[in-house]
Amino acid sequence: GAGVSQSPSNKVTEKGKDVELRCDPISGHTALYWYRQSLGQGLEFLIYFQGNSAPDKSGLPSDRFSAERTGGSVSTLTIQRTQQEDSAVYLCASSIRGFLTYEQYFGPGTRLTVT
Amino acid sequence: AQKVTQAQTEISVVEKEDVTLDCVYETRDTTYYLFWYKQPPSGELVFLIRRNSFDEQNEISGRYSWNFQKSTSSFNFTITASQVVDSAVYFCALRDGGYNKLIFGAGTRLAVHP
Repeated sequence: GAGVSQSPSNKVTEKGKDVELRCDPISGHTALYWYRQSLGQGLEFLIYFQGNSAPDKSGLPSDRFSAERTGGSVSTLTIQRTQQEDSAVYLCASSIRGFLTYEQYFGPGTRLTVT
Repeated sequence: AQKVTQAQTEISVVEKEDVTLDCVYETRDTTYYLFWYKQPPSGELVFLIRRNSFDEQNEISGRYSWNFQKSTSSFNFTITASQVVDSAVYFCALRDGGYNKLIFGAGTRLAVHP
């Protein structure tokens, strides 16, 4: 079946602008995760959604970052007033459930460049 | 605290050589899971294996094998008879009961030359 999809694949934006990144998880997966991959910081967890529970936002680096998940499926990660240090690849992952036993399947990522 | 260490930043081998990628982890939990992911040049992280903390049996899948040793907190990955298609960055990751996230190591870049 279809894997995790993300759009856009590449995004170039000017410093100070807002951006929205989209993630479509694997159908039937109730858990959804956002990670960020950058040269200096490696792979970092950002936020986690499980069903209708309150999201775990413990990894969001600042209040400029927010995410929502509508209808338990598609998720949007929003970065307001982008800064150059936000440049990274943003990865979305989903798993059948949020329990630690289940592996996470990753999308191809969105490469964000802030100029 | 949780931590995953992949001490090898880059490894370069010639095709058909065997290669082992090291992974050392830290966690206070007794229940946890370890994972290996492959990130080829295309960029997408590909799941390879999951191992829980109560199962120390080694696993083999084709040319891939994994050695889990709780005594040394290690979960090493060996590729036998490496091929050019194995060239990628390999990540070891940890997830334990206290957290919803994967903790990744820094990754090991493997280059297999013909």
